[in-house]
Formats: sequence, structure tokens, C-alpha cells
Amino acid sequence: ILNVEQSPQSLHVQEGDSTNFTCSFPSSNFYALHWYRWETAKSPEALFVMTLNGDEKKKGRISATLNTKEGYSYLYIKGSQPEDSATYLCAFVTYSGAGSYQLTFGKGTKLSVIP
Amino acid sequence: DGGITQSPKYLFRKEGQNVTLSCEQNLNHDAMYWYRQDPGQGLRLIYYSQIVNDFQKGDIAEGYSVSREKKESFPLTVTSAQKNPTAFYLCASSIAGTGGQPQHFGDGTRLSIL
Repeated sequence: ILNVEQSPQSLHVQEGDSTNFTCSFPSSNFYALHWYRWETAKSPEALFVMTLNGDEKKKGRISATLNTKEGYSYLYIKGSQPEDSATYLCAFVTYSGAGSYQLTFGKGTKLSVIP
Repeated sequence: DGGITQSPKYLFRKEGQNVTLSCEQNLNHDAMYWYRQDPGQGLRLIYYSQIVNDFQKGDIAEGYSVSREKKESFPLTVTSAQKNPTAFYLCASSIAGTGGQPQHFGDGTRLSIL
């Protein structure tokens, strides 16, 4: 079973602060990395799909970077707002043969933004 | 609205009973997945299906069974062989044949033992 680690496990920030967290994954057999946001009582929602080393993606105040050679991805949130409070999941994608791809999820980083 | 519908939202199982969790999607996705979440754990893959009438075991398939008779539907049966079924179950779908597409998730079913 692949090891996908997310840190920190949880964090609390003040509204307006910028923050970032990490997803670490194996540096071999990389196909893609997904980031999802999971708000309480809702379903996980895709933020980014990253496939190339050096990729940088941005969606509003949220951005992500990818380093496949060293096996990590950073998620940044600029000027955190209370509505950013959620658990952020990363998923490491590998090819499992016959056109199938499997996602291995980290345990998530739970972000709480204090108004 | 296109999406994934899971039902029921809450489900209770008696000892020795099989229960079935429903997952329906109208996104026209070929691939569907079942995940289990336990407290303090990441999502773990139970079963997945890339196409109708075909499915594969994930990392924790023991005690579960699935079927894929229609593209839209991928029900999960939690059998009596699953000794620790209490968990949150998520269904997802995606465009098949590429890991470069995101998965779309349902709202989940919480299963508890009576």
C-alpha cells in the first residue's frame, strides 16, 4: 500500500492569514496528483489535477505546486476566509494496468479559519 | 443537475445481515468507485469499475461485493463477512481511461451496527 502523507493534520488560522500545507508521496510510478476540498456535510470537490513536474495551478486565492522528483505538493491559500474551512485531501494517482488508475488518498489537512 | 446520488444517508445493520448501499450517477461516466472512511484514516478503495459488467477489487474488498449491470449504477453490498462495517462510505465516478480527470463524489452513507 502506497504511503501518502499530509501535514499538518490540522491547523487554525485567523481570517486574512495566508497558509500552506503539504502532501508527500512516492517519487516513483507517478501519474498525477489530485487535490480535493471537503467541507463538512458536503461531498469532496476537486480543486486541482496536476500531472507535470513543476506544475503550478491556481483557482482564485488557492494555488498548488508540484515536485514529482522529490515527491511533494504544496497547497497555498492566500488571505484565508471562513468559507475556506474544510478538510483538504490529496490523492496520488498510479496506473494499475488495463486502462485503470487508482487513487491513494492522504488523511487530509483540516483547516479552520477563525473570523 | 448532473451528479452522484447515494442512498440512504444513514443505514443500520443488524448482526449477520447483508445491507446494500446505492450509488447512481447521471454524469455519463464509465468509471465508478467505492471508498470507505474511518476516523483518522484516509479514504480507502473498496472496489472500482471501469466499464459495465466489469469491476476490480481495491485495497480492502474483503467482506464487500458489488455489481455493475448499468452504467449509471454501482451498488455496494456489505456482507455479514465484513466484521467491522461501521464507517462512512463514499461513491465516486470519473471519465474512464485516464487518471488525469478528477473524481466526482456523492454525499456518502454512514453505516452503523445495531
